Amino acid sequence: NAGVTQTPKFRVLKTGQSMTLLCAQDMNHEYMYWYRQDPGMGLRLIHYSVGEGTTAKGEVPDGYNVSRLKKQNFLLGLESAAPSQTSVYFCASSPWTSGSTDTQYFGPGTRLTVL
Amino acid sequence: DQQVKQNSPSLSVQEGRISILNCDYTNSMFDYFLWYKKYPAEGPTFLISISSIKDKNEDGRFTVFLNKSAKHLSLHIVPSQPGDSAVYFCAASEGLTGTASKLTFGTGTRLQVTL
Repeated sequence: NAGVTQTPKFRVLKTGQSMTLLCAQDMNHEYMYWYRQDPGMGLRLIHYSVGEGTTAKGEVPDGYNVSRLKKQNFLLGLESAAPSQTSVYFCASSPWTSGSTDTQYFGPGTRLTVL
Repeated sequence: DQQVKQNSPSLSVQEGRISILNCDYTNSMFDYFLWYKKYPAEGPTFLISISSIKDKNEDGRFTVFLNKSAKHLSLHIVPSQPGDSAVYFCAASEGLTGTASKLTFGTGTRLQVTL
């Protein structure tokens, strides 16, 4: 099992450019999440998905779009990158459980720099 | 408004001694708490969790204590080992079962275990 993988690992963009970050999980998890981590701050939730074809906004959704066309993939898009979106992006997934809140499993991260 | 706070950005402990990492929260709706460990250039990995119906949870060298009245939790690592050197994040959720667990993270505490 590869767990949660993210592509690419690093990317440098110019202001106004667009890009898509790909997250893939092979654990058959229902839920997937995108976070960003900035210096001196904890991870903040951007968007999440409770299943194939569904997405919802998290704490900091502005400037991002997401899609979950397949259960195993969760894409994060930046339509017009801004320097404020320079950050490390983490994807995570978690299973559906009826008994209790389950833990999230994280990918290795994508370091994005917007010039 | 930081709902989960880790007021100590860093902590240095000698190998073999106890490490105590602290976390405070303000949202009374939080009832499930987790600790994640993060090495450089990797994603966070789940360490231990506790539900609000408990005041202590133990897993090997790691113990988490929860004081609901004080809205405070702590992670104890005994004995500390050099491999424990990492950034530790406290996270909380409203613990809604059967749905996506939206986590709110603290800013992290960097633990260094010295020889």
